[in-house]
Amino acid sequence: DTAVSQTPKYLVTQMGNDKSIKCEQNLGHDTMYWYKQDSKKFLKIMFSYNNKELIINETVPNRFSPKSPDKAHLNLHINSLELGDSAVYFCASSQDPGSWVAGGHLSYNEQFFGPGTRLTVL
Amino acid sequence: TQLLEQSPQFLSIQEGENLTVYCNSSSVFSSLQWYRQEPGEGPVLLVTVVTGGEVKKLKRLTFQFGDARKDSSLHITAAQPGDTGLYLCAGAKKTSYDKVIFGPGTSLSVIP
Repeated sequence: DTAVSQTPKYLVTQMGNDKSIKCEQNLGHDTMYWYKQDSKKFLKIMFSYNNKELIINETVPNRFSPKSPDKAHLNLHINSLELGDSAVYFCASSQDPGSWVAGGHLSYNEQFFGPGTRLTVL
Repeated sequence: TQLLEQSPQFLSIQEGENLTVYCNSSSVFSSLQWYRQEPGEGPVLLVTVVTGGEVKKLKRLTFQFGDARKDSSLHITAAQPGDTGLYLCAGAKKTSYDKVIFGPGTSLSVIP
């Protein structure tokens, strides 16, 4: 059974178009993430949601809008695609966001990644 | 600004050789993780280290967390072609909401 799944696997589109990438996790995790991996393989966090609430929002153009209809799903919509948006986008999930606060619960924020969506903007 | 640096960036070795990959930072991390990413796939967690000086072994892989919790190393003994991949270290700080910072990765190629 796939733990974290993404669709589509590949996405080729023209500059200026709007596209969405979907992500689902069946691990029962509370926290989900979107990462962008550029051509140099550098993995950078974009967004993080915990129980459908946005908790991390890095310096990402507002053309990128994440949506979490429930804690098992985190979708990424991109408006007015640009050439520089070409990259591999990874969805990930973790049990929780890494809080050490509640009742001495230890969390190491171990993340499970999806297979990635390779976006090519022409 | 890169908070985590990894060296070497690229490594190509013959099957059976030993190798060490380094992950360094000027920041202190509460935990540090190592992931391996194979072409066309997402990163897969190998190990998490949380205590300064901690050493963990995973078959032929040995992971060490520096005493000051600023650096880590990954040593592979008798490398095999199946070890080929991108090795990423990732550090997390103790905050309410951890933001895991990934290093730039070491691309390892093990030649049969």
